[in-house]
This record gives sequence, C-alpha cells and structure tokens, in this order.
Amino acid sequence: EAEVAQSPRYKITEKSQAVAFWCDPISGHATLYWYRQILGQGPELLVQFQDESVVDDSQLPKDRFSAERLKGVDSTLKIQPAELGDSAMYLCASSTGQGSAKNIQYFGAGTRLSVL
Amino acid sequence: DAKTTQPTSMDCAEGRAANLPCNHSTISGNEYVYWYRQIHSQGPQYIIHGLKNNETNEMASLIITEDRKSSTLILPHATLRDTAVYYCIVRVVGGTYKYIFGTGTRLKVLA
Repeated sequence: EAEVAQSPRYKITEKSQAVAFWCDPISGHATLYWYRQILGQGPELLVQFQDESVVDDSQLPKDRFSAERLKGVDSTLKIQPAELGDSAMYLCASSTGQGSAKNIQYFGAGTRLSVL
Repeated sequence: DAKTTQPTSMDCAEGRAANLPCNHSTISGNEYVYWYRQIHSQGPQYIIHGLKNNETNEMASLIITEDRKSSTLILPHATLRDTAVYYCIVRVVGGTYKYIFGTGTRLKVLA
C-alpha cells in the first residue's frame, strides 16, 4: 500500500538553528498538506499545495517558516530560526485533489521536532 | 467549517463495541463527516466518512443522525490495538478541502 514518506522521524536542534523536513506524497497525489501538532492537541494546517502552488498558508508563520514544492511532487518545510515553541510533531499529508468526497487525506508518520 | 465536540476520553472493554460520539450541530448541507484515529507517535489514519447515510467498512461503522447534527463511530469488537485518539472532522467538499481537527477522544481499550 502506498504511503506518505517523511524524514527525518526525529530531529533535535538548538534554538536559532535552521531545520528542514522533507515529505514525499503518494504518487499521483496533486494536493500536499503540512500540519503542526502540539502535544495534546489536534493537527493544525500550516500550508496546502495544489501541485506546485500554495493555496492556503494563512496559518504559516511566514517570518520563520517557509515551504516549497518546486516540481509539484515532494516538498520541504523549513524553519529558520527555530524557537522553543516550535517543538511539535510536523505531519505531511497528501490527497488526489479531485473534487469529490473521496478526496481523503493520507498522513505520513511525521517528524518529531525538539528545540533545546 | 463546522466545529465538532467530542468527549475527552472513553474506556471500552476488549471485545466489546466502542461507540464514540461526535456533535456537529452547525453542520451545513454539503459538509461531510470524517473520522480519523491517531495511535501514539504515528500520523492520523483515515477510518471512514459519510454525508447523511450510515456507512460501514472493514474498520468501523458510522451512524449519522437524521438531522445530521451528531454522529457515532462504532468499532464493533474493540481490541487493544484500537487504543488511540479518535478525531471527528467536518469538512466542506469544495474550496480548499481543509480539515479542522479538534482535540479528539482518547479511547483506551481495556484487557
């Protein structure tokens, strides 16, 4: 069964350092999502891509976070500089992007970030 | 998007049915109900979704009330591996297809 791949699974960094996460969606999925999940809370959408274009980044802290999906396939989420409050699970999801109720989002295993 | 309300936690005996309720009283006519679960340290896993009819798949059943203001996810024979946080999500079909997660229900299946 196809899966959303994310790396690394765990990342420890010091505050003010740069950190990057990578996501490879399910083959053929046009829509890619990055979520942040703080411990004890549900995931919160940071950015959504349709192919290579950003369609929603309203919750992305743009002063320190950036995301790209240059060829409309895999994607990178970057934080620079990292702050203590960025410690969280970062989840990637993908979907076909087609206009139907079967536009199910499939999630990767996530990257657990700890900022010291 | 409609907001959902779920109990914070529930316990269920192994082998018994687990019934997880969700209130979505402000749901609109074109909004679907989706259920996901998240096992510790993993990404959310899709379970089932529906609009107004009851739905069943190999994992669970979804019962949606006639007025669509609430729904219940049923795991017919809960096992220890079903211990997880269960999220009920209401999402508009169309636009950006955005999910808004709540805090979910933490289900503990007891041996």
